[in-house]
Amino acid sequence: QSALTQPASVSGSPGQSLTISCSGTSNDVGGYNYLSWYQQHPGKAPKLLIYNVSNRPPGISNRFSGSKSGNTASLTISGLQAEDEADYICSSYTNNDILVFGGGTKLTVL
Amino acid sequence: QVQLVQSGSELKRPGASVKISCKTSGYSFREYAMNWVRQAPGQGLEWMGWINTNTGKPTYAQGFTGRFVFSLDTSVSTAYLQISTLETEDTATYYCAREGSPNSFDPWGQGTLVTVSS
Repeated sequence: QSALTQPASVSGSPGQSLTISCSGTSNDVGGYNYLSWYQQHPGKAPKLLIYNVSNRPPGISNRFSGSKSGNTASLTISGLQAEDEADYICSSYTNNDILVFGGGTKLTVL
Repeated sequence: QVQLVQSGSELKRPGASVKISCKTSGYSFREYAMNWVRQAPGQGLEWMGWINTNTGKPTYAQGFTGRFVFSLDTSVSTAYLQISTLETEDTATYYCAREGSPNSFDPWGQGTLVTVSS
C-alpha cells in the first residue's frame, strides 16, 4: 500500500489561512472516513489534531478543521500562528485492513 | 490524565535485540488498542501494527513480521515492542500510540530512539 500524497512544504504568514491536502485512492481516503491529521514539532511525538475527517479532540483549537472530497482530504489552518510551524501528517484506514500515513507536509510560518 | 511513557534511548550492535516498554496511566488499559509506529531519521511515519490489549492478539503490518513482537503486561498496564536480530536499517524512533477512536492515535508516547551501529 502506497503512502498518501501530501505536498512536501507549504508556507504562510501569520493570520493567514492555508490548506494542506492529502491524496489517496478509493481504497483508502475515498473509501473510509477514518482519516486523521497529526501535528509533529521537531523532536516531538505526533499530536492528534483531527480524526474521522473533521472531528477535533478535546483541547484542539477550532483554527484547525478537516474535510474530504472524493479521494482527497484537506486540513485547513486559519489564523496562522508562529507555533503552528511543524510537520502535518495525514493517515487513513485502507481496504487491506491496514493504516497508511502521508509523507508529511512541513509548514513554515513566514 | 492519559499518559504513555516509553523507555529510554538504546544503542545496539547489529544482531542484538531490544525491548521497548510503553507504560500507560490515566485510563483503563484493556479498553483501548495499542499501536506501534516507526519513524526513521528524517523520514515519515510508518505504521507497524497493533495489539489488542484485551486478548493480547497482535497484528503486524507488512514489513514488520518475524523480527518484531508486540506484547503486554496488563498487571502493570504496559505494552512492549521487541525487535530481534537488529539491522542498521532499524535505526529509528519507535512510538507507541493509543487507539482512542478507530484508526486514530491519541495520545502517543514520547518515542524511543533505537540506534543500531557497529
